[in-house]
Amino acid sequence: GEDVEQSLFLSVREGDSSVINCTYTDSSSTYLYWYKQEPGAGLQLLTYIFSNMDMKQDQRLTVLLNKKDKHLSLRIADTQTGDSAIYFCAESTSGTYKYIFGTGTRLKVLA
Amino acid sequence: DADVTQTPRNRITKTGKRIMLECSQTKGHDRMYWYRQDPGLGLRLIYYSFDVKDINKGEISDGYSVSRQAQAKFSLSLESAIPNQTALYFCATSDNTGTGVGEQYFGPGTRLTVT
Repeated sequence: GEDVEQSLFLSVREGDSSVINCTYTDSSSTYLYWYKQEPGAGLQLLTYIFSNMDMKQDQRLTVLLNKKDKHLSLRIADTQTGDSAIYFCAESTSGTYKYIFGTGTRLKVLA
Repeated sequence: DADVTQTPRNRITKTGKRIMLECSQTKGHDRMYWYRQDPGLGLRLIYYSFDVKDINKGEISDGYSVSRQAQAKFSLSLESAIPNQTALYFCATSDNTGTGVGEQYFGPGTRLTVT
């Protein structure tokens, strides 16, 4: 079945860039998403990319999509302590209920 | 006020007890979902509902049941709780108009511990 994989942990120093990676298997994905989960809270959509795009930039966030390799990444520039959270990659296929989440990457930002 | 609310936020129960987790939403969405989150496993879909009369099993529905009492309310029941159902449970909603990007809106979660 479809699968979305992420590494479980990432640690960076404040001010550095963070890069969180994700691989997926469903070639029919329409949208790919990054969700952020802060402690004690539900997931919130951070950004998304349509499957026919290669890159999307939104302030400090850059999403790169390599559709050939089914690889998605999220780069956070100038990482701050407030960016410490769990980041989930997810994909969905238009017209279906399917919404597959990755395992989540816990980002720890060191002051 | 939060768009998606869940009650209770925390619950400790004993093996064999019946427990219900409730979810309400004010977003006016037809689609509602129940997920469980376990460390290292991410979110797994338990049940989903596209409207009041449409309820479907997700990938891990065994041991769970749901009720969609109204468009705004979707409850999850554990008929006879067991310790491996200890997890963080999330309710979510999404728009089905086809004009959006398919964003899901999550409640704050219910932490359930079965002893």
